Amino acid sequence: KAGVTQTPRYLIKTRGQQVTLSCSPISGHRSVSWYQQTPGQGLQFLFEYFSETQRNKGNFPGRFSGRQFSNSRSEMNVSTLELGDSALYLCASSLVSGGAEQYFGPGTRLTVT
Amino acid sequence: AQSVTQLGSHVSVSEGALVLLRCNYSSSVPPYLFWYVQYPNQGLQLLLKYTSAATLVKGINGFEAEFKKSETSFHLTKPSAHMSDAAEYFCAVSEGNQGGKLIFGQGTELSVKP
Repeated sequence: KAGVTQTPRYLIKTRGQQVTLSCSPISGHRSVSWYQQTPGQGLQFLFEYFSETQRNKGNFPGRFSGRQFSNSRSEMNVSTLELGDSALYLCASSLVSGGAEQYFGPGTRLTVT
Repeated sequence: AQSVTQLGSHVSVSEGALVLLRCNYSSSVPPYLFWYVQYPNQGLQLLLKYTSAATLVKGINGFEAEFKKSETSFHLTKPSAHMSDAAEYFCAVSEGNQGGKLIFGQGTELSVKP
């Protein structure tokens, strides 16, 4: 089975712009979670989608949003980018929600200048 | 509230020596516990998972972890370190009623000396 794929792998944006990141889960997985990884804050949970519904949301401002499509693919969007949004954004998929193993993609490295 | 504490941000061992990475958690309900490894410029790879079936959990690449409820610990061990084990290791906790939300520790960077 193919693993979790994320596109693009690298992205450079300017402050104030918006960005959309994409995640394709492992075939058959219905849950997709997003995490932000920075040197200062470590790995932080952004949100989880299961069967096209947001199940849980982390403590991030409303500029961070996401959605999931009927084929389980997910996108996250960050509007009005700030320098502090520079991070590695990781997507993880699992068969079901709640306690299941999560399998991570390689991440999208976002740099905001 | 859930939390995870990894003792030691950097651990250095010699090749062939025992690897011990420490993780303590807090959770209001019986938790799911995980260890992940991250190599440079890559995502996280699942090493092992605790789900209450057995307190000693065996994972990939010779790693194992023991769940100790009385100590709220889930330490990761490997009897003999290999150079390829050099990476960053993350302990994570999940409460089933929180969906897929994983709470991660700050990570421990493992160095292996020849």
